[in-house]
Formats: sequence, structure tokens, C-alpha cells
Amino acid sequence: EVRLLESGGGLVQPGGSLRLSCAASGFTFSSYAMSWVRQVPGEGLEWVSVISASGGTINYADSVKGRFTISRDNSKNTLFLQMNSLRAEDTAVYHCAKPHINNWRAASEIWGQGTMVTVSS
Amino acid sequence: EIVLTQSPGTLSLSPGERVTLSCRASQSVNSDYLAWYQHKPGQAPRLLIYGASSRATGIPDRFSGSGSGTDFTLTISRLEPEDFAVYYCQQCGSSPFTFGQGTRLEIK
Repeated sequence: EVRLLESGGGLVQPGGSLRLSCAASGFTFSSYAMSWVRQVPGEGLEWVSVISASGGTINYADSVKGRFTISRDNSKNTLFLQMNSLRAEDTAVYHCAKPHINNWRAASEIWGQGTMVTVSS
Repeated sequence: EIVLTQSPGTLSLSPGERVTLSCRASQSVNSDYLAWYQHKPGQAPRLLIYGASSRATGIPDRFSGSGSGTDFTLTISRLEPEDFAVYYCQQCGSSPFTFGQGTRLEIK
């Protein structure tokens, strides 16, 4: 069974940092691009970042560029999101997602349940 | 950045009805990278349609997608009780990838 399990969320003060992890299982992690998508409670979905299978292609939403860094460890089947200079507007549930095919532009077929990040003093 | 505008914002319908949801892009989108998702509270989003018109694995054939360029639609031919949720379109043809603001389907 394909599974994605996020962790690392929590309460952090404005300006602080947090590192999210996404543990993948049930598929060949190193063969797939991976994404992060977030949802502010009560609002819509917002795409955050994508990384290709090898890590050679990375893109970010303008709202997080320069503050967030996506990375992956294919030897540990794990995706990361390093979040620095956090703002109140970064408060959201963060989901990692796997595309339906190995194409970094492909739609996300498998999603984790998400981890909640709260930025507040 | 490509802005996706979904309409209507909310629809109140009854089971058995047919519904068409709209997703309009601020500039042309590569149809290969236009997707539709269903999202229910407390659950992970569910991929319904990719490539504008291809159903994802396990998606019932009452769901269909169409469109090209700047106008895309998701049609549910006959609403089932489990279809009442929020629906999002997303484009991944041009970075930054973007979602529409969503259409909420409510039971009348």
C-alpha cells in the first residue's frame, strides 16, 4: 500500500523555523517527484513546492520563495520542507503528495493526511 | 502566475442531479497538466481527473472532465450523497503551480 506520513508540525513563534518530514512507503520513492501543498483552515488549497525525483528540479510558490527549502533523501524514502522566517500566514495543514506518474508536473494522486503548523506568539 | 477562477463558489443541489463546475485560467494552460480534486473535511484531497479529461484510478465514470486553453469543466452526471464536497482545479503546466479557489457542493 502506498503511504505518505507527514511529521514535524507544531507551534512556532513568528520568525521561527520548523522542518517537516514526509515518510514514504509502498512505492519506489526515488523514481517520483514529490510536492508539498498546504491548506489554511477553512480556506482553499495552496501549492507550496515541488522537487523532481533526482532533486535536480525545484520550484516554489512566490509566497514561500527564499524562506522555504524542499529537499529529499532517497536513501531514506523521505521528503523534507525546511521552513524559516515563518509568518502567521504560513499557519496551515501541510500535505506531501506523490504524482500519478513520474513527471514533476503531473497531478498528485497520493496525499498524506497532513501535519499542522501554527505560527503564533 | 496563472490564476484559476472557479465558478460558482457554492452550489446547492440534490442527489441525482447533474452538475458542471467551471475553471477558467488567466492564460492558456497545457491541458496535459490540468487536474481536478475532491476534498472533504478531515480527509486528504482525492485526485479525480488529470490531463483535463482522464479519470484517475478508481474514479467512477459519473465524473468527467473536458476543456482546453483557458476553459475547463468538471461534470458529475448524477450526484451521489458522497459527492458533496469541495472541488478544486489545479494547473501544473507553468510554475508556480496554482489551484483554483474551489467550488463547494452542498446538499439542498
